[in-house]
Amino acid sequence: GENVEQHPSTLSVQEGDSAVIKCTYSDSASNYFPWYKQELGKRPQLIIDIRSNVGEKKDQRIAVTLNKTAKHFSLHITETQPEDSAVYFCAAIGSTTGANNLFFGTGTRLTVIP
Amino acid sequence: GAGVSQTPSNKVTEKGKYVELRCDPISGHTALYWYRQSLGQGPEFLIYFQGTGAADDSGLPNDRFFAVRPEGSVSTLKIQRTERGDSAVYLCASSLGPIDSLDRANTEAFFGQGTRLTVV
Repeated sequence: GENVEQHPSTLSVQEGDSAVIKCTYSDSASNYFPWYKQELGKRPQLIIDIRSNVGEKKDQRIAVTLNKTAKHFSLHITETQPEDSAVYFCAAIGSTTGANNLFFGTGTRLTVIP
Repeated sequence: GAGVSQTPSNKVTEKGKYVELRCDPISGHTALYWYRQSLGQGPEFLIYFQGTGAADDSGLPNDRFFAVRPEGSVSTLKIQRTERGDSAVYLCASSLGPIDSLDRANTEAFFGQGTRLTVV
């Protein structure tokens, strides 16, 4: 099966600074890596994803990088704003029985200090 | 509805009782997932349906947990003889197609609001 590890567990940054969250995965066959944002009491929502055929993807202030050789991927948030405060989860496709599904990291609580 | 709907939103039950949690996926979504999220943790995979069949149920912690999706739409997660350790938020997600599809439109998994289960 897939094992996804995520660091750090908590992260505080000043408004306007950048935030970086890192994840590693174990299944070399994984080919899809989404990132979810979960605000307090709300459902996880997809913010960006990347496939294994690209090394980087950017969407406004959010970017994700993937290193397949090292089996790690990272989320980068630039010019952080208070509304970026939330718990962020990385995920990777894994398979335990041949059917692929998503395995999640343990989450990073990001706090943006105004 | 426009999104994934889960009922009830909250469920308090006594230890040893049986509970059912319901998930209504987005219409037309063939893939459905159940996850369990404990406080401060990431979603923990339980079971994945593709259509009516359980494609992967390896995440179910023991035989007290069972899930069905008889018509390929609504799914019910069933927990027998509940224990205090079962207390968590149970999340359901659905996607248009299999999560490993190369088609971006097929693979995004949309989550419901979850059912907060408390076993007392």
